[in-house]
Amino acid sequence: AAGVIQSPRHLIKEKRETATLKCYPIPRHDTVYWYQQGPGQDPQFLISFYEKMQSDKGSIPDRFSAQQFSDYHSELNMSSLELGDSALYFCASSLVGGRTPPIYEQYFGPGTRLTVT
Amino acid sequence: GESVGLHLPTLSVQEGDNSIINCAYSNSASDYFIWYKQESGKGPQFIIDIRSNMDKRQGQRVTVLLNKTVKHLSLQIAATQPGDSAVYFCAEISSGNTGKLIFGQGTTLQVKP
Repeated sequence: AAGVIQSPRHLIKEKRETATLKCYPIPRHDTVYWYQQGPGQDPQFLISFYEKMQSDKGSIPDRFSAQQFSDYHSELNMSSLELGDSALYFCASSLVGGRTPPIYEQYFGPGTRLTVT
Repeated sequence: GESVGLHLPTLSVQEGDNSIINCAYSNSASDYFIWYKQESGKGPQFIIDIRSNMDKRQGQRVTVLLNKTVKHLSLQIAATQPGDSAVYFCAEISSGNTGKLIFGQGTTLQVKP
């Protein structure tokens, strides 16, 4: 079965540079979530999109932005990178709409490991 | 603030034994809980979920128990195998939420052969 695809898998950037992470959800899924996971920590919610509209926002720095496109893929844009941004970034997708109660089973991608030097 | 946390950071068991991983949550409005397994270098993998109107749910070799009175969640793994070695996270979703997961601190499960 098709899974969530993330690219690139690894990314090395220098401080103050920009980075763009891409996520391709499972086909027909309508919701995308982004999470950040620091070393030895649990994943922290950043932002989510439902049907191409931002649906929720967590602890995402102002330097980061994201959007979901018409084909449902999503991109996380990170600017003025800092050393502390080094982490695993996961994208997850789910099919939420139209169900009562909503189904929130989220499928995670393999992640993008971002290293800021 | 609201949080979900785990009691033990590391659990070591013998192959074939049963494992029990615990989780405490503080948000009484939470109505959906999920257990995830994360292997090194991989994304979290869905194991089993439970809604707040249930006390117990069973899957293949796994059982999740929910005690709303004391806000406690547990994951039981029967006949633990080496392939079960991973970090396990509990996560919660609150009623009316958009579906974002609030993860607790992970527990590392080590299975000794």
